[in-house]
Amino acid sequence: DAKTTQPNSMESNEEEPVHLPCNHSTISGTDYIHWYRQLPSQGPEYVIHGLTSNVNNRMASLAIAEDRKSSTLILHRATLRDAAVYYCILRDGGAGNMLTFGGGTRLMVKP
Amino acid sequence: DAMVIQNPRYQVTQFGKPVTLSCSQTLNHNVMYWYQQKSSQAPKLLFHYYDKDFNNEADTPDNFQSRRPNTSFCFLDIRSPGLGDAAMYLCATSRAGVFYEQYFGPGTRLTVT
Repeated sequence: DAKTTQPNSMESNEEEPVHLPCNHSTISGTDYIHWYRQLPSQGPEYVIHGLTSNVNNRMASLAIAEDRKSSTLILHRATLRDAAVYYCILRDGGAGNMLTFGGGTRLMVKP
Repeated sequence: DAMVIQNPRYQVTQFGKPVTLSCSQTLNHNVMYWYQQKSSQAPKLLFHYYDKDFNNEADTPDNFQSRRPNTSFCFLDIRSPGLGDAAMYLCATSRAGVFYEQYFGPGTRLTVT
């Protein structure tokens, strides 16, 4: 399985944008890039996913490098509620359903 | 609107005493998953069901088993819990396919005494 590398932790100020990086240099052509987050004492929740093009939804934006070897999750205005562990996960389009979680980035948001 | 429900939220069992954790869903998804999450670690997939087809991860201990009697319910059975099995157990569901997100329940925190 292609692996991802994320910083262990990041800090942000409330109301400011946050850019969470993810490196996946061994990504294959059929791998989708998924982001999940896990708030304290809760199960993970889906944030966004993409293949090649940048994606936007109500929670975040996903910027994918042209060579697909890295991606960035963008929270446009961080709130205290966004403090969580963010996981960048590659899902093989041919393999189906599995999520293999890596270490993730713990995001701390300061008021 | 509860979608993936796990009961109980907290479970205490004794070393070696079998325990069953339950998960139910109101989403009618055909795939259900069980993950184990130990303290300060990422969730680790134990197994999943695609409809009635059971798929075990290669490194899931034999001590862990699962049952899915119908679409809505899935159970995790730990036959002889050891101290190392203390963890958060997360149930998730999804439609089949890489495009579909997984919906997670709140988890059951298992303590082994």
